[in-house]
Amino acid sequence: KQEVTQIPAALSVPEGENLVLNCSFTDSAIYNLQWFRQDPGKGLTSLLLIQSSQREQTSGRLNASLDKSSGRSTLYIAASQPGDSATYLCAVEWGFQKLVFGTGTRLLVSP
Amino acid sequence: DAGVIQSPRHEVTEMGQEVTLRCKPISGHNSLFWYRQTMMRGLELLIYFNNNVPIDDSGMPEDRFSAKMPNASFSTLKIQPSEPRDSAVYFCASSLAGTQHQPQHFGDGTRLSIL
Repeated sequence: KQEVTQIPAALSVPEGENLVLNCSFTDSAIYNLQWFRQDPGKGLTSLLLIQSSQREQTSGRLNASLDKSSGRSTLYIAASQPGDSATYLCAVEWGFQKLVFGTGTRLLVSP
Repeated sequence: DAGVIQSPRHEVTEMGQEVTLRCKPISGHNSLFWYRQTMMRGLELLIYFNNNVPIDDSGMPEDRFSAKMPNASFSTLKIQPSEPRDSAVYFCASSLAGTQHQPQHFGDGTRLSIL
């Protein structure tokens, strides 16, 4: 059974700080790992997708890394802004097209 | 691109009633997913379709839940009869499945309350 864990569960930082969100999974036989953002009352928005053969992906101020052998991924957010406040979820594709989600990290960036 | 469209956005009904949730996937996508999100269990996959055919329904909690995809542009998730423990946010997502794994695109969800 695949289990995905995210720490911390919540994080509060002042604007401008760089921060790291962590995700770990128990079974390394994954197709890919995805990071999503969820705003209150909204669906999930895909931020980054790292294929199992890749080590990292970057989009703007976001950088995600994947270490399959150790079952870990990190999402690095540079120069955080209040607009980054949201819940961040990681998910592994375990079994074709089947996503297993973590419980999320709730991020608050204060002006 | 209109995105994944779900309706209704909110549904409040009494226990025992039939509930039907609707989803229109992104045009051209060939895979569709139904998820349920609760505080206790997080996001769980209920069922997914590929080319309108149900592929895996192992996440469907009980026989009270059923899902259909009569064509490439429409899917329903039905609960009959509904119970208070079915209260949750239900999400639909779609993707383009192929040799390269593509991200799933989510709708804004239906917030379901069973009284």
